[in-house]
Amino acid sequence: DTGVSQDPRHKITKRGQNVTFRCDPISEHNRLYWYRQTLGQGPEFLTYFQNEAQLEKSRLLSDRFSAERPKGSFSTLEIQRTEQGDSAMYLCASSLEKAQETQYFGPGTRLLVL
Amino acid sequence: SQELEQSPQSLIVQEGKNLTINCTSSKTLYGLYWYKQKYGEGLIFLMMLQKGGEEKSHEKITAKLDEKKQQSSLHITASQPSHAGIYLCGADGRYGGSQGNLIFGKGTKLSVKP
Repeated sequence: DTGVSQDPRHKITKRGQNVTFRCDPISEHNRLYWYRQTLGQGPEFLTYFQNEAQLEKSRLLSDRFSAERPKGSFSTLEIQRTEQGDSAMYLCASSLEKAQETQYFGPGTRLLVL
Repeated sequence: SQELEQSPQSLIVQEGKNLTINCTSSKTLYGLYWYKQKYGEGLIFLMMLQKGGEEKSHEKITAKLDEKKQQSSLHITASQPSHAGIYLCGADGRYGGSQGNLIFGKGTKLSVKP
């Protein structure tokens, strides 16, 4: 399978705990995006990388959120001191570098904060 | 900022019937993407429209971008249960000052009754 993969697919955690999600993009894609989706809403942009550089962060990305892509391949999204409002589906997508290149999405990580 | 409004919010059709989903933008669309999402899963890319008046088809799904590039429609002919899911339109976020992210509508939930 050469699509975007995400791990884990599901995560249940207690409020206050830290969680980390991983995304592996399509191998030749140098852009990687993180989105968050809550029930009944479309995905909302969080941040994106071009190679290892984090080029943009949304206002949604509070100080408790951090994303990395250290070698320009896989990426991690960490949420510190989770809150119940962080419960959502976290989606990763990747694309080629050119403008208006299609973003291909992974299956998502569903987070539930108790 | 740019917003996308989808209509209807939900749709129930009998198998074999045709249907249309609309996506209206508050600003000119530079690129309009249609995705399909099954509940609890990632987004599957359907097609991308860029030029005013452009029309693309994939199997029984046709999408059009109007001449003024502020509205797109997705038409499904002879619907099947496999068409059921949430259809999301997404737009290039450049009007929001971004060069990377997509802005999404809230989605249209389609159910097809056998």
